[in-house]
This record gives sequence, structure tokens and C-alpha cells, in this order.
Amino acid sequence: AQSVAQPEDQVNVAEGNPLTVKCTYSVSGNPYLFWYVQYPNRGLQFLLKYITGDNLVKGSYGFEAEFNKSQTSFHLKKPSALVSDSALYFCAVRDGSNYQLIWGAGTKLIIKP
Amino acid sequence: DVKVTQSSRYLVKRTGEKVFLECVQDMDHENMFWYRQDPGLGLRLIYFSYDVKMKEKGDIPEGYSVSREKKERFSLILESASTNQTSMYLCASSFGQEYQPQHFGDGTRLSIL
Repeated sequence: AQSVAQPEDQVNVAEGNPLTVKCTYSVSGNPYLFWYVQYPNRGLQFLLKYITGDNLVKGSYGFEAEFNKSQTSFHLKKPSALVSDSALYFCAVRDGSNYQLIWGAGTKLIIKP
Repeated sequence: DVKVTQSSRYLVKRTGEKVFLECVQDMDHENMFWYRQDPGLGLRLIYFSYDVKMKEKGDIPEGYSVSREKKERFSLILESASTNQTSMYLCASSFGQEYQPQHFGDGTRLSIL
């Protein structure tokens, strides 16, 4: 069965420090992987995706994510966190033959000044 | 700027009422989605539409129906509202072969009393 796990409900990071939000997945075929962000009281925004190619994917707002096939992971990273990065982050996955995304439960990222 | 607009940010209805949630997108996207967001559960797909008058059931279609008479508008209908349908509802859209949602509305927080 397809699944996505975001093992941390909340991640706390000091402003200026690097941040990582973790995501692991399980799909039967080749994974299509996505990160979305939700700012307070707003809908979601697409951040980045991995379909094929370079394992390091760059996205919006300085975020990047690394696809690791052996560890079935797609962790979201940023070299230097901003207070404005505080939000709820969702990882999602589908395999190439299925249009439906499977969503993680979300990780709340808190950046402290 | 591209936009997905949901007709209401907050809505309060009574048990047994028929409830309509409206969504309009101005990007000429083929695909539209209705999701339900509950804390700790991520997003769950209710219905997906890939063209006018075309629809596919998602993970949790029970108690819901949808209508897509025009390309830009996708309506979610709660046939007889129940308290367990109290939730945040998110509409999204994407173009062509991009089956994952690209743009989201700000959401409708629906309370069923």
C-alpha cells in the first residue's frame, strides 16, 4: 500500500540555522514526490516536486529537497531559516500510474527569532 | 495573478441541511479537486474532476457529490450535512497532465451544528 510518513509533528529551529523537515514514503512504482506549504489561515502552496532526474530539487522561497531512493526519503531543507518560514508543511507522493496523491499528516515548522 | 476562489471562508450550517461549497478558478485549468483537511490526517481527496461534467471519486466521497457544468467552476455538495462533516474544505486546480494540485483556494471552514 502507498503511504507517506512525516515523523515529526513539530520542528523548532532558530532563525538563521539550517532546517530539515523529514518525509519518507512507500509506493509500488516510481515515486512522484511533492512538498506543499500552508501559511496560517490560508490554502496550500506548491513548493517543489521530484519526478525524475537530479536527486536535489530546488523550489520556491529558497527551499530544496533531496530524493534518496535507497532510504525512500524526500526531506525538505533550507540552509538558513527565516521567521516567515513558520508554517505547516505537507509531503505528498503518488506513483506514475495513479493520479491520486497520498498526503502526509503535516509538520508544523516554528522558526524562533 | 492566478487565482482559485472559494465562495466562503467560514460557513455554519445545521444538521440535515443541503450545503453548497463553490469554487472558481481563472486559469483555464482542466483539473479541479475538492479536499478535506483535518488535523493530524493531512488532506483527503473527496472528488476530482478532469473535465467538464467528468468526475472521479476520491478517498472519502460518501455523503458528498460534485458538479462541474463549466470549466471554471467546481461545486461540492453535502447532500444532508452531518456533524462529522465539520472540517476545512480546500479546492484546488491544475492543468492537463499535472494531476497533482498546483493552486489552492484559501479554504472554507465549515461547521455543522
